Amino acid sequence: NAGVTQTPKFQVLKTGQSMTLQCAQDMNHNSMYWYRQDPGMGLRLIYYSASEGTTDKGEVPNGYNVSRLNKREFSLRLESAAPSQTSVYFCASSLRVPSNQPQHFGDGTRLSIL
Amino acid sequence: GESVGLHLPTLSVQEGDNSIINCAYSNSASDYFIWYKQESGKGPQFIIDIRSNMDKRQGQRVTVLLNKTVKHLSLQIAATQPGDSAVYFCAENLGGSQGNLIFGKGTKLSVKP
Repeated sequence: NAGVTQTPKFQVLKTGQSMTLQCAQDMNHNSMYWYRQDPGMGLRLIYYSASEGTTDKGEVPNGYNVSRLNKREFSLRLESAAPSQTSVYFCASSLRVPSNQPQHFGDGTRLSIL
Repeated sequence: GESVGLHLPTLSVQEGDNSIINCAYSNSASDYFIWYKQESGKGPQFIIDIRSNMDKRQGQRVTVLLNKTVKHLSLQIAATQPGDSAVYFCAENLGGSQGNLIFGKGTKLSVKP
């Protein structure tokens, strides 16, 4: 079972470049999430999609946009990358929101902005 | 704002001993809690969860205890193995319409052979 698949695994960008991080899940989950993880800090929510066709801001949405392409796929876009966006990005999915079900995570995209 | 925190950032144990990782939460409205394990270069992996109407839940070699009176959560790992070495996160679900998780910063568990 693939679970949550993220691409690419690694990426280096120059300041000002744009990029889209891809995420797909095969668990038939309704809800999907994007987090960033920085050293010494917990995971912080960027955006989430409670269901296909809806997206909402999380704790740190500035500088990002998202698209819920279909039930399986949820992408994160950096329109003009900045060094402060250097981080590890995780996509997750869960059965539904609100939910007392665990979120399941991909293995992350390691993004460096020079 | 409300946050989830951890008492100990690092924990070193001998192989075969039991490990206890602690977590404090501050939002009394939280109704669901999860423990995740994160190995180097990997995403968080679900270990065990507990709802607020429970005090204890057991899994395979792991037990989660919830003390709502003092807003404290713990993860106990029995007979700790080298493969248990990782960073462990607790997370709380604040409930309501958002349903997203608030994560603690993590505790690094090192198992000495």
